[in-house]
Amino acid sequence: QSVLTQAPSVSGAPGLRVTIACTGSGSNIGAGFDVHWYQQLPRTAPKLLIYGNNKRPSGVSARFSGSKSGTSASLAITGLQAEDEAAYYCQSYDTSLGGYVFGTGTEVTVL
Amino acid sequence: VQLVESGGGLIHPGGSLRLSCSVAGLSVRGNSFSWVRQAPGQGLEWVSVIYTAGSTDSADSVKGRFTISRDTSENTVSLQMNTLTPEDTAVYYCARHSANGPSQRLNWFDPWGQGTLVTVFS
Repeated sequence: QSVLTQAPSVSGAPGLRVTIACTGSGSNIGAGFDVHWYQQLPRTAPKLLIYGNNKRPSGVSARFSGSKSGTSASLAITGLQAEDEAAYYCQSYDTSLGGYVFGTGTEVTVL
Repeated sequence: VQLVESGGGLIHPGGSLRLSCSVAGLSVRGNSFSWVRQAPGQGLEWVSVIYTAGSTDSADSVKGRFTISRDTSENTVSLQMNTLTPEDTAVYYCARHSANGPSQRLNWFDPWGQGTLVTVFS
């Protein structure tokens, strides 16, 4: 049972913008710990997408952006493309559990 | 940097298995590594970490059953899994910790290996 909650799925037409929320609590995101995001394409390992709340690794498209406020964080994908169909996970640290935690994951579908 | 997991397979409940993560391109001594697992059709779950200093920690779900270690001569990170149950069935990924500063709690995981499948069945 993850302590970071995400909507199970989100969809959008090509070219549009979608956002994925990651809701935590005072023992993780709200405690000031950074949020990171991963993209997992079908049948592949997760890949780092956003680190430190809003930073993109080299090679990641500028269409992906992250933000954090209070006990939540968000990942935005603009100019949605077919290749963005994947599962997206947020990740942080939780002091109550004493370990790293992942969000429940969101499947993005391009209509 | 490349991480390659091995050691997965089929095992009966109560059995033991040892996973290995072979690391190329950097030293296991100078980096922190975690094992993260993903049950079939499910999300990601952090399992265990070994920090640069050699200290370790694990999720409550595996504490006392799983042990993470490293071999600096072989440049590998291992996960010894004992008393396995069907709930341990998952793809197990090895991942390196990255950070901007000294706080381990701000770490993220990059890169990841391709994963190795562990199936515990009666």
